[in-house]
Amino acid sequence: EPEVTQTPSHQVTQMGQEVILRCVPISNHLYFYWYRQILGQKVEFLVSFYNNEISEKSEIFDDQFSVERPDGSNFTLKIRSTKLEDSAMYFCASRGTANSPLHFGNGTRLTVT
Amino acid sequence: GQQLNQSPQSMFIQEGEDVSMNCTSSSIFNTWLWYKQDPGEGPVLLIALYKAGELTSNGRLTAQFGITRKDSFLNISASIPSDVGIYFCAGGYGGATNKLIFGTGTLLAVQP
Repeated sequence: EPEVTQTPSHQVTQMGQEVILRCVPISNHLYFYWYRQILGQKVEFLVSFYNNEISEKSEIFDDQFSVERPDGSNFTLKIRSTKLEDSAMYFCASRGTANSPLHFGNGTRLTVT
Repeated sequence: GQQLNQSPQSMFIQEGEDVSMNCTSSSIFNTWLWYKQDPGEGPVLLIALYKAGELTSNGRLTAQFGITRKDSFLNISASIPSDVGIYFCAGGYGGATNKLIFGTGTLLAVQP
C-alpha cells in the first residue's frame, strides 16, 4: 500500500540553525499538509498546500516556517532559525482529493538544543 | 481555538474486554476520523465518517458520527494486546483546505 515517507527520522540541531524536513507524499495525491506534535500532546495543524501554494496556515506557522514543493515528488518544511520550543514530531500528510482521508507519514523527530 | 475533548484520557483493561471512547466539540464538523498512534510513529487511519448519524465498522472497531455533528464515538470489541496505543479523534470542516482538528487522545493499555 502506498505510504507517505519522511526523512530524516530524527534531526538534532542547535538553536538558531536552519533545518529542512523532507517528505514524499503518496504519488497521486494533490493536497499536502504539515502537522506538529509536541511530546505528550495532541497533533496540531501547521499548514496546508495545494496547487503549488499555501491554502491555509495556523498561528504556529510564523515567518520562520516555509514550505516548498521543489519537484513533482518532494514536499519540504523549512524552519529558518530554530528555537527550543520547535522541538517536536513533525508529520507530513497527504490526501488525494479534498474530502478523502488524510494519510500521515511516520514523522521526523526534531530536537533543538 | 477549536477544541476537541476526548474521554476517557486513559483506559487500562483486560484482554477480551470491550472499549468505548468518545469525542465532543463545541463546533460542528463535516467529517470525523479516528486514528491510532503507536509510539514513535505517525497516526494511522482507522475509520472515516462523512455523514451525520453514520455508523461504520472496520473489523472489531465501530464508530459513529453524532447526529448533532458535534460528537463521535469509537468502540473496540474483544480487545487484544496489539490494540495498545493512543487513539485520536479528528474533525474536519471540509472545503478546499479540509484541515483536521485533533482531539486530546485516549491512551489504551490492554493487559493480556
